[in-house]
Amino acid sequence: DAGVTQSPTHLIKTRGQQVTLRCSPKSGHDTVSWYQQALGQGPQFIFQYYEEEERQRGNFPDRFSGHQFPNYSSELNVNALLLGDSALYLCASSWGQGTGTEAFFGQGTRLTVV
Amino acid sequence: GENVEQHPSTLSVQEGDSAVIKCTYSDSASNYFPWYKQELGKRPQLIIDIRSNVGEKKDQRIAVTLNKTAKHFSLHITETQPEDSAVYFCAASNPGGSYIPTFGRGTSLIVHP
Repeated sequence: DAGVTQSPTHLIKTRGQQVTLRCSPKSGHDTVSWYQQALGQGPQFIFQYYEEEERQRGNFPDRFSGHQFPNYSSELNVNALLLGDSALYLCASSWGQGTGTEAFFGQGTRLTVV
Repeated sequence: GENVEQHPSTLSVQEGDSAVIKCTYSDSASNYFPWYKQELGKRPQLIIDIRSNVGEKKDQRIAVTLNKTAKHFSLHITETQPEDSAVYFCAASNPGGSYIPTFGRGTSLIVHP
């Protein structure tokens, strides 16, 4: 079991560009949550996908969007990148929308916007 | 929404000493409190969690206490070792929010050999 895998591991983009990050959940998990972790901060919740629908959303603008596929993998898309979007983006998978069970994190994608 | 405050932001101890990290939360409906350890360049990993129906939980050198009345919970690490050096995050979540955890800002624990 490979656990939660994210790709790419590192990415450099220019302001105004668009980016897509990918996440494959742990085997047996059906729920994917995305977090943004700025340097020196705790992870901030972006949104959660379950049954291919966005179920919960944190305080992030519409430039942040996502998708979940039938195999439970997920994508995070960010449009019109800003310098402030530079951060570590973490994906966490769990079962059944969390329900108070452990969320397993991926290694993250380090996004740098220049 | 939930707000989680975590203190201290940095904690430096000598090997063998104990370390305590404290968190407070604002939403009285929160009933699940996980703690994550994040080593440099690695993913956050759950080290211990506690639910609101218990006041304390232990796992070897790690323990967590919860005071629901005061809305605070703490992580206790005894006999610290250099490999305990990492950033520790507390979190609080509740079923009304689909258990989406709200994280504290983290505590950087440094254990000096």
